[in-house]
Amino acid sequence: QVQLVESGGDVVQPGKSLRLSCAASGFTFSRHGIHWVRQAPGKGLEWVAGIWPDGSKQFYGDSVKGRFTISRDNSKSTLFLQMNSLRAGDTAIYYCARDGGYSGYGLANHFDIWGQGTLVTVSS
Amino acid sequence: YELTQPPSVSVSPGQTARITCSGDALTTQYAYWYQQKTGQAPVMVIYQDTERPSGIPDRFSGFSSGTTVTLTISGVQAEDEADYFCQSADSSGTSVVFGGGTKVTVL
Repeated sequence: QVQLVESGGDVVQPGKSLRLSCAASGFTFSRHGIHWVRQAPGKGLEWVAGIWPDGSKQFYGDSVKGRFTISRDNSKSTLFLQMNSLRAGDTAIYYCARDGGYSGYGLANHFDIWGQGTLVTVSS
Repeated sequence: YELTQPPSVSVSPGQTARITCSGDALTTQYAYWYQQKTGQAPVMVIYQDTERPSGIPDRFSGFSSGTTVTLTISGVQAEDEADYFCQSADSSGTSVVFGGGTKVTVL
C-alpha cells in the first residue's frame, strides 16, 4: 500500500543540526512532489518545504529559509530534510506528505498522503 | 497571506457542523480541508474546494464563495470529533498556507 515513513527525529541542542528521512513505498516516487509539514506541540500545521518530482526545484517557508534544505533520492524513493541552526521554535512533529499532483511535473501544493511523523525536540 | 478559521465549533450528534475559512487568495486559489484526530496524521477530506476523495463519507462537503470556503459535516457522528484545517497556496505556486485549525466537538 501507499506509505510514507519518517525517521531521524531526536532531541538536539539549540544551534545543532539534524537530518530527517522519509521512505516512500507503494507508488512511483519520482512522479510526485513531496513536502515537509510540521506541527508544534498543541499547535496547528505549518508547511516547511516542498520539492519537485525530479528534485530540480525546492521551496521553503519563511521561518526555515536559509537554515533547512529539502532534497530527494529518487533511486531510493527517499526524501530528506537537513536542518541546521536549530532553534527551540523548531520543536515539532515533522510529517512528510505526498503532493497531490499526478502530472509528474511541478507541485500541486496540496497533500493526499501523509506519514505518521517524527518528533524533533530542540532543547538544551 | 493568511487563512482564518474559527477556533472551535460544537455540535450535537446528527446535527450539521459548518466550518469557515477566509482569505483573499481563495478568490483565485483552490482550498483543501484536512481532518486530524488526536495523535494521528492529517487526512484530506475535501480537495479543490468541493471534491471529496474516495473513501471519505458523503456527509463531508465543501463550498466556495468569494474569499470564504466552508466545510460542512452533515449528520455529525461522534467519530467526526477532530481538528480541521483548511489549506491553500499562493498564486505563484511557491508557498503553502494553512488556516489555524478548528476543533470540532461533538456534544
